[in-house]
Amino acid sequence: AQSVTQLDSQVPVFEEAPVELRCNYSSSVSVYLFWYVQYPNQGLQLLLKYLSGSTLVKGINGFEAEFNKSQTSFHLRKPSVHISDTAEYFCAVIPYWGGSEKLVFGKGTKLTVNP
Amino acid sequence: EAQVTQNPRYLITVTGKKLTVTCSQNMNHEYMSWYRQDPGLGLRQIYYSMNVEVTDKGDVPEGYKVSRKEKRNFPLILESPSPNQTSLYFCASSLKSSGQGEKPQHFGDGTRLSIL
Repeated sequence: AQSVTQLDSQVPVFEEAPVELRCNYSSSVSVYLFWYVQYPNQGLQLLLKYLSGSTLVKGINGFEAEFNKSQTSFHLRKPSVHISDTAEYFCAVIPYWGGSEKLVFGKGTKLTVNP
Repeated sequence: EAQVTQNPRYLITVTGKKLTVTCSQNMNHEYMSWYRQDPGLGLRQIYYSMNVEVTDKGDVPEGYKVSRKEKRNFPLILESPSPNQTSLYFCASSLKSSGQGEKPQHFGDGTRLSIL
């Protein structure tokens, strides 16, 4: 079974500051990793994904994440945030072996960007 | 436009009155799934379907039913809704993968249910 831990439930930052949203996972098999973003009153939108290859992946809206296998982490970063980045962010995994399509989500991190 | 469409977007109803939330996708995806989102709990899977006539329970299936008679539709049925089913519900779909490709799931905009 897989589990995902998002270490911060809320992260307040000022506009133009850098931000890191932390995600750790637990799995006995290899996994694919995802970050989704949910803007207020909207569904989930894929921000970025790690499948294989380079451990640094770039997504939409200037976000990037780094996969660290030894620390089982997939932290999301942005060097300079905007007010419009205020949203809830979810880290999720799917096992690599192909027998399951089930996304296992973390509990989410609410990012609030203040002026 | 590729999309997952849920209806209704909002519903307030009373305990015990059967309701159905529809979900339709236009991407010819094999896999479809229902999640509920509750504050502090993230998203939890209710039911999923790997293809037509193939459905299975997720993590929190109690009180829900689903059916998959057609590839594009995956309705969620609450036969006798109760207040603890008040939640935000999401339908999602994706291609069934082989374990070697990407597996991004596409989500609908959500249905907010309030059971009084």
